[in-house]
Amino acid sequence: DTAVSQTPKYLVTQMGNDKSIKCEQNLGHDTMYWYKQDSKKFLKIMFSYNNKELIINETVPNRFSPKSPDKAHLNLHINSLELGDSAVYFCASSQDQAGGATDTQYFGPGTRLTVL
Amino acid sequence: KQEVTQIPAALSVPEGENLVLNCSFTDSAIYNLQWFRQDPGKGLTSLLLIQSSQREQTSGRLNASLDKSSGRSTLYIAASQPGDSATYLCAVRHSNYQLIWGAGTKLIIKP
Repeated sequence: DTAVSQTPKYLVTQMGNDKSIKCEQNLGHDTMYWYKQDSKKFLKIMFSYNNKELIINETVPNRFSPKSPDKAHLNLHINSLELGDSAVYFCASSQDQAGGATDTQYFGPGTRLTVL
Repeated sequence: KQEVTQIPAALSVPEGENLVLNCSFTDSAIYNLQWFRQDPGKGLTSLLLIQSSQREQTSGRLNASLDKSSGRSTLYIAASQPGDSATYLCAVRHSNYQLIWGAGTKLIIKP
């Protein structure tokens, strides 16, 4: 069973389009995250949700809007895609983010977004 | 502001050698430090989590240490194998609950 899954795995689209990436975790975790990994492989947190509530919202353009219909899902919608949005987007989850042993993060396989 | 640095950015060693990867952070006010590996084209896999009150954690051939006062952690890999080739990332859970990431060390184990 896949613990954290993302769809699609690859996404190629034109500038200006709107797209969504879906994430689901079957671990029963309370906290989910979206990360962006750029071409230099640097991993940057975008959003963190705990029990469907937004906890962390880093400096991310308003074109990015996360949505958590329930605590097992955290989807990422991107409006008006730009060339600079091309990257690999990772979803992750953890039991909590309180800093204890249950803070271990589990990552999805990533979605490679290419904006043409 | 918490910053996490991993040096070197890349490392290549022959199979069978023991090796150490380094991670340093600027602010000792952390809850934990985590080590991950990332294989090409894949997501990240958690290796070890060391809580701020701990000095080390072990899992198989991996041993991670934490010296909070000096802002350093090391990941020791014993008897390296080609399958250990990957990028290794460390991340610290800062006291404000932010998870701050290093840029990673790309490790190549030569057969």
